[in-house]
Amino acid sequence: AQSVTQPDIHITVSEGASLELRCNYSYGATPYLFWYVQSPGQGLQLLLKYFSGDTLVQGIKGFEAEFKRSQSSFNLRKPSVHWSDAAEYFCAVGALNTNAGKSTFGDGTTLTVKP
Amino acid sequence: DVKVTQSSRYLVKRTGEKVFLECVQDMDHENMFWYRQDPGLGLRLIYFSYDVKMKEKGDIPEGYSVSREKKERFSLILESASTNQTSMYLCASSSSGNVNTEAFFGQGTRLTVV
Repeated sequence: AQSVTQPDIHITVSEGASLELRCNYSYGATPYLFWYVQSPGQGLQLLLKYFSGDTLVQGIKGFEAEFKRSQSSFNLRKPSVHWSDAAEYFCAVGALNTNAGKSTFGDGTTLTVKP
Repeated sequence: DVKVTQSSRYLVKRTGEKVFLECVQDMDHENMFWYRQDPGLGLRLIYFSYDVKMKEKGDIPEGYSVSREKKERFSLILESASTNQTSMYLCASSSSGNVNTEAFFGQGTRLTVV
């Protein structure tokens, strides 16, 4: 069975600092990987996704993520965090022939941005 | 823009009531999903549907049922609400035409059962 681990429940960074959110997955074949963001009181919005090809993927709002098969990781990064990035972030893994909505989600990482 | 609309943002219901949560999507997506979201537990899949009148259980279907009579609408039903069903409920939809797709989420319904 596939699974996702987000080791950090809560991260605090200063505005302007760099950010890395960790995601580790477990799946027997090549996974489909997603990062979603949820602002307070809102639904989830897709930041980026990886299916194949270049292991460094670019997303919206200046985010990027790197797929590392050897480490079973798909960490999310941003070079300079803005106060509006404060939100909850979810990593998700999907399987071949399983569409994105039926992905397995991690428990989420809450990001706080200090002024 | 794809839009997934959940009929209520906030609901308060009494224990034992029958509760309907409605979700409508406007992108002709084949697949629709209901998740519940609880602090520290992430998103857990309750039910999903890949076609009209078709449904499959997710990870936590107990105490819930669903209905999909039209392609655009997917309803979650709590037959007899209980306090442990107090949660945030999220509806999502996606296309099945191509696996390289994303899920589109509604704004969520925060249900409180008293």
